Amino acid sequence: RKEVEQDPGPFNVPEGATVAFNCTYSNSASQSFFWYRQDCRKEPKLLMSVYSSGNEDGRFTAQLNRASQYISLLIRDSKLSDSATYLCVADPWGDQTGANNLFFGTGTRLTVIP
Amino acid sequence: DAGVIQSPRHEVTEMGQEVTLRCKLISGHNSLFWYRQTMMRGLELLIYFNNNVPIDDSGMPEDRFSAKMPNASFSTLKIQPSEPRDSAVYFCASSTLTGNGYTFGSGTRLTVV
Repeated sequence: RKEVEQDPGPFNVPEGATVAFNCTYSNSASQSFFWYRQDCRKEPKLLMSVYSSGNEDGRFTAQLNRASQYISLLIRDSKLSDSATYLCVADPWGDQTGANNLFFGTGTRLTVIP
Repeated sequence: DAGVIQSPRHEVTEMGQEVTLRCKLISGHNSLFWYRQTMMRGLELLIYFNNNVPIDDSGMPEDRFSAKMPNASFSTLKIQPSEPRDSAVYFCASSTLTGNGYTFGSGTRLTVV
């Protein structure tokens, strides 16, 4: 079983729509979570860190449900520029020193249509 | 801050040739990660270093792959001999030890023909 699993999509939504991606993680000890955005032929870039139960940044809301071991990303009022692949990431190590590699999901592809 | 710098951006080489990919970390970062990305397998961690010390190289596909970190700010990933199945985008990323996520370089797109 993969550490982090995501629906690969693609999600095709009209401009202005609200879209949500879910991601599950297998290691209940995971402490930190992130969403990365990757544009076509570009590197992944950090979009949001997910703290405690979640956080919000403008049109983007990330939520964490530890009991069910899933993280979600909600995008409101979608823009054409939101078209990208969104990668869900978990840090399973917590305070364990010497290990700090992150586990990436395979990504969910979003296309926002005019 | 110049960010994580990778070179070359693109590399096309013939099967059997040696390929060397380079990465310069962000100043002050002390963890370095090498990833490979393909459509089929997504992002795969190859190896990572903390404070120049290799921590986990279990993702390195085979002995043809080797990575070094000769100093705190620079790393190389070498493939010798290269094969067509090595064609992929290779990213390096850096972070602090207590990190809040990684910063990726812009990647090297490798094509082995």
